[in-house]
Formats: sequence, C-alpha cells, structure tokens
Amino acid sequence: DQQVKQNSPSLSVQEGRISILNCDYTNSMFDYFLWYKKYPAEGPTFLISISSIKDKNEDGRFTVFLNKSAKHLSLHIVPSQPGDSAVYFCAASPLLLSFGAGTTVTVRA
Amino acid sequence: NAGVTQTPKFQVLKTGQSMTLQCAQDMNHNSMYWYRQDPGMGLRLIYYSASEGTTDKGEVPNGYNVSRLNKREFSLRLESAAPSQTSVYFCASSQYYSNQPQHFGDGTRLSIL
Repeated sequence: DQQVKQNSPSLSVQEGRISILNCDYTNSMFDYFLWYKKYPAEGPTFLISISSIKDKNEDGRFTVFLNKSAKHLSLHIVPSQPGDSAVYFCAASPLLLSFGAGTTVTVRA
Repeated sequence: NAGVTQTPKFQVLKTGQSMTLQCAQDMNHNSMYWYRQDPGMGLRLIYYSASEGTTDKGEVPNGYNVSRLNKREFSLRLESAAPSQTSVYFCASSQYYSNQPQHFGDGTRLSIL
C-alpha cells in the first residue's frame, strides 16, 4: 500500500504563474520529506527537503510546506519557468525513502 | 564530477537470461540503493547497502541479488530474467542511509522479451 500519494498525475501552468504540487502521506513516523525533479531519460535530481520540526523551507523559487496534522506536503514554484517542465516526485522517510508516483508539470509559454 | 554512473544505459534480454547492472559513485558515500521505476508507481526500493559490507532487502527484492563490491560499487543481478522485470532501474547513493538526500544515476532501461 502506497504510503506517499501524489493524487494529481499532471499539472499545466502558464509561465510566470505559481505551480503548486501536493503530496499526502499516511505514516506518522515519517520525519523527513523531499522533492525530486526528473527530466526524461535522466535520473531524479534532489530539489528541496524539510524536516518534521519545520513547517516551511524556502530555496530560491522553490518553497516546501509541511502540515503534519493533515499529513500533507506541498511544493510551490514561483514564478514557473519553461525549464521547470518535468516530473516531480515527493518522498518521505523515517529511514529509507518512500516515493510518490509523481506529477508531470508542463509550463506553457 | 560524474556522481553516480550506471552501465549499461539500455539492454534487451530474453526471458531466462541473466544480467548484472553496474553502479559506481565517486562521492565517497556510505550508502547505496537500487530502485525500479514503473509507470504510475514511482520508485520502489529493491535492495540497499547502508554501508560497505552490508546489504538488505527493500520493498521488491524477489528475483534480484546485489553485491556491494567496495565503497564505490554496488551491482544488481537478475539471475533469470522475467518479463515482469521490464523496468527502468536507478542506482542512488547518499552519505548515510537515513534522512539524507539521495543522488541518482541516469538509469538503465531494461526490456525482457
């Protein structure tokens, strides 16, 4: 049973606007959360992480929000750029990583 | 700086053939991992090596074996390939095996006929 779920398989957003990607988890033992970005024919690349002692972490255009009571994680990309078109995976761990199925983001010019 | 290198990039096998996927990292990481990615299922852990000299099963280990050859290298072997093992295989490494970002190779695309 998947412990990390990304319920939106795809997202289309206009260049310059905000992209919001969502992720839900079921295991209350998860205490470290990550987002990865993946281009076709390449491996996933680490984007940003957050530990359970925080509720927000920001790195340039990327911000991750954690709502522990709702077991919900989101990634905000502002502003969205064409190079952000990729598949985004969320992952969570107490020790080993569990991955969601991914959300394909398309940024329209 | 190569990071994590996987060979080969593509392979086609017939059912019953055996094959070893190679992985090497140059970041002096302690922990290494093998995942498979299937459509709609994200990445699933096959085996991992928390440190040199140790290996452990992940979520989907059946039909696979691994060898941590040294600190740099971690290989994945399919002894008797089956069509259900058609997938994209990713190797990853991290400094330690808990609460650390993992760095991935570019994958091996494996088709079993």
